[in-house]
Amino acid sequence: GAGVSQSPSNKVTEKGKDVELRCDPISGHTALYWYRQSLGQGLEFLIYFQGNSAPDKSGLPSDRFSAERTGGSVSTLTIQRTQQEDSAVYLCASSLGRTQTNEKLFFGSGTQLSVL
Amino acid sequence: GNSVTQMEGPVTLSEEAFLTINCTYTATGYPSLFWYVQYPGEGLQLLLKATKADDKGSNKGFEATYRKETTSFHLEKGSVQVSDSAVYFCALSRSGGYQKVTFGTGTKLQVIP
Repeated sequence: GAGVSQSPSNKVTEKGKDVELRCDPISGHTALYWYRQSLGQGLEFLIYFQGNSAPDKSGLPSDRFSAERTGGSVSTLTIQRTQQEDSAVYLCASSLGRTQTNEKLFFGSGTQLSVL
Repeated sequence: GNSVTQMEGPVTLSEEAFLTINCTYTATGYPSLFWYVQYPGEGLQLLLKATKADDKGSNKGFEATYRKETTSFHLEKGSVQVSDSAVYFCALSRSGGYQKVTFGTGTKLQVIP
């Protein structure tokens, strides 16, 4: 597709269950980001993938959160044993990731996660 | 580490009023600076950017000037419209190499007729 695609668009789960959120970046984009946007809050950085380099996981809030990126393309964000405070919009973005360029990010529409 | 500080919202203005949304940053080196906008029900999109000191980014009547001496990148528009109602995010990316983008907390703008 032409843009960043995220699925599902909405996810309702019960506390304690695991969830997987998917991001399909723009073809050819080597950089991929996950952010979290909570109600009334700004954009909270979660994790950053760049090519084959080790990901920057410094934003993951706890060890219940993990992400992987297979084949340098699709990424999955996994939240284990979900808690109510995990409820938020999870945003994925990608960029060309080339050096010496201005990092314009292209965002997906997000996954609205609701933990009951 | 890198950080971005934005004025807290919401900001409520009448149509045709002058807009300023303050943004200051902390970063080593010479970052690139951005404003992203999120219209209601839509995804974030780049509004404008500046890559070096004294550069002015502009788009859709919005402007922001990269001020290294005050580490600021304030967003301005001379005459806002109802359609400008959105959340505005200031962001930075360190230049040179693969660097993640750091966002501010966002400022909600509401323009009333």
